Amino acid sequence: EIVMTQSPATLSLSPGERATLSCRASQSVSSNLAWYQQKAGQAPRLLIFGASTRATGIPARFSGSGSGTEFTLTISSLQSEDFAVYYCHQYNNWPWTFGQGTMVEI
Amino acid sequence: QLQLQESGPGLVKPSETLSLTCTVSGDPISSTSYYWGWIRQPPGQGLEWIGNIYISGSTNYNPSLNSRATISVDASRNQLSLKLSSVTAADTAVYYCARVDITIFGVVPLDYWGQGTPVTVSS
Repeated sequence: EIVMTQSPATLSLSPGERATLSCRASQSVSSNLAWYQQKAGQAPRLLIFGASTRATGIPARFSGSGSGTEFTLTISSLQSEDFAVYYCHQYNNWPWTFGQGTMVEI
Repeated sequence: QLQLQESGPGLVKPSETLSLTCTVSGDPISSTSYYWGWIRQPPGQGLEWIGNIYISGSTNYNPSLNSRATISVDASRNQLSLKLSSVTAADTAVYYCARVDITIFGVVPLDYWGQGTPVTVSS
């Protein structure tokens, strides 16, 4: 099983600041890496797939990069609605696995 | 607009079988362009992938469930189902169904989700 490790566990930032979230895979997942946003009481929402492709309707302030084992999600200028938990997810190998999440808080 | 809606009992007794249904509207579940999957989230914890199914009947499951999970599709009802046998308190979670899109450019994972249904395992 591929272990996905996210850092930091919590990111404390202010609106307008840049957020940089990291995700590391225990072995290469090529570019088969997705990012999800989850707000309290809601289902996760797909933000990024293929490591860097934004899903439909996702604002341009969200960007993803990386390949192999190191990945980054960047939110260029935090909006109030962006404070949430973010998960990375590898779908290169069965079983599919998720990181433990990064909480972005005000 | 695609919508997924999970349903099932909110409370299951230990050692029994948990049965959930996901009703899909807005797209045929029998389309060869999609996989359908189940994911769960224990209270206050992260996400755990349970398994996927393709319309052909081909399935993949998380080995951590020790062969307790069974996913099936009823195309006539446009429904996806999950059965999880021999449940324990560790199976208490919110259960989500979701779609995986298969495009000519590759897989788009889990692009549509249901709202989730909470399940508690307790006597």
